[in-house]
Amino acid sequence: AQSVTQLGSHVSVSEGALVLLRCNYSSSVPPYLFWYVQYPNQGLQLLLKYTTGATLVKGINGFEAEFKKSETSFHLTKPSAHMSDAAEYFCAVSDSTDKLIFGTGTRLQVFP
Amino acid sequence: GAVVSQHPSRVICKSGTSVKIECRSLDFQATTMFWYRQFPKQSLMLMATSNEGSKATYEQGVEKDKFLINHASLTLSTLTVTSAHPEDSSFYICSAKAGQTYGYTFGSGTRLTVV
Repeated sequence: AQSVTQLGSHVSVSEGALVLLRCNYSSSVPPYLFWYVQYPNQGLQLLLKYTTGATLVKGINGFEAEFKKSETSFHLTKPSAHMSDAAEYFCAVSDSTDKLIFGTGTRLQVFP
Repeated sequence: GAVVSQHPSRVICKSGTSVKIECRSLDFQATTMFWYRQFPKQSLMLMATSNEGSKATYEQGVEKDKFLINHASLTLSTLTVTSAHPEDSSFYICSAKAGQTYGYTFGSGTRLTVV
């Protein structure tokens, strides 16, 4: 069965600093991995996804993530945080039945 | 891009009444719809999966008679919360998948408050 672990329920960074949100997965089949962002009282917006091919995936708003099979990780990074990046971030893995299994989420705070 | 329209965004209802939430795929055909529930400051919990024209598949612990899901067309899925109680108050989100493109598009969510 697939599962996702997001280390750190809260991450705080200063504006302009590096953003690193951690995600580790467990999957019995080659995983499809996703990062979503959620703003208060809104749905989820896809930041990026990994299916096959290049392990470094670039997404919207300057985010990127690298699939590391040996570490079963899919950490999300952004070189320079903006105030507008403050939100809840979810890592997810899809299983063989197409269901998305979500991590518990990481709340990103950005301080001026 | 693919858009899923979810309505209403907010609803307040009295205990014992039923509430219907709609999700429409606006520019694509959604072969599969997923319904999630999200408690405050928590992750999304999958409630059920529906495929157009067939009965929904519910996750363990989800009452199918209480949360009625209908996916009558490739562009519309509905979730009806029947005989709502205050503990049903939550944020409900739908997600649509179009074929094998491995794209999941989410609705904007519905905040249900049962008083």
